[in-house]
Amino acid sequence: DVKVTQSSRYLVKRTGEKVFLECVQDMDHENMFWYRQDPGLGLRLIYFSYDVKMKEKGDIPEGYSVSREKKERFSLILESASTNQTSMYLCASSLELAKNIQYFGAGTRLSVL
Amino acid sequence: GQQLNQSPQSMFIQEGEDVSMNCTSSSIFNTWLWYKQDPGEGPVLLIALYKAGELTSNGRLTAQFGITRKDSFLNISASIPSDVGIYFCAGQLRGTSYGKLTFGQGTILTVHP
Repeated sequence: DVKVTQSSRYLVKRTGEKVFLECVQDMDHENMFWYRQDPGLGLRLIYFSYDVKMKEKGDIPEGYSVSREKKERFSLILESASTNQTSMYLCASSLELAKNIQYFGAGTRLSVL
Repeated sequence: GQQLNQSPQSMFIQEGEDVSMNCTSSSIFNTWLWYKQDPGEGPVLLIALYKAGELTSNGRLTAQFGITRKDSFLNISASIPSDVGIYFCAGQLRGTSYGKLTFGQGTILTVHP
């Protein structure tokens, strides 16, 4: 079974803090993704990476950055957290981009106060 | 902005009833996928569709890729309590990169025993 692990289930941070969300997958997948999930909006793609040190912007990259130094790990960084970044963050990985099949972690619920 | 319209937003049904939900768009999609998210977990893939007109089943679930490539539906037959959760459609828009999925807003399903 594919295992995508997000390091924290819940996080509470203060406005202006730098926040790191970590994601690790154990299936040697090339491609990894970060989404945020908000009620009534579904999942929206923030960034994705198709190889180590490679990244591409998704639909809502503003206020976020990412890091992929190793194949199995993809980090989402909030440079200066704001209250409108309070959300559920989901990490996913996939083996073949062309099949569009993505495997998700359990999510990190981030609250920014 | 949102390019997929998923309906209904929520459903309250009795155990044993059949369920139908759909996603529509004004744009053409190359791939349609249906995911289910259990409370406190990440989405899990139910069915993937790759060709217009394709009809695929997975147990009590059946999904179809619309012939116009602008819609898809998911049916669940003889619902059971463990069908409770949020169902998402997702698709890859024609002209976008592999891996860049657009998600619907989700359908929240409640099943009364």
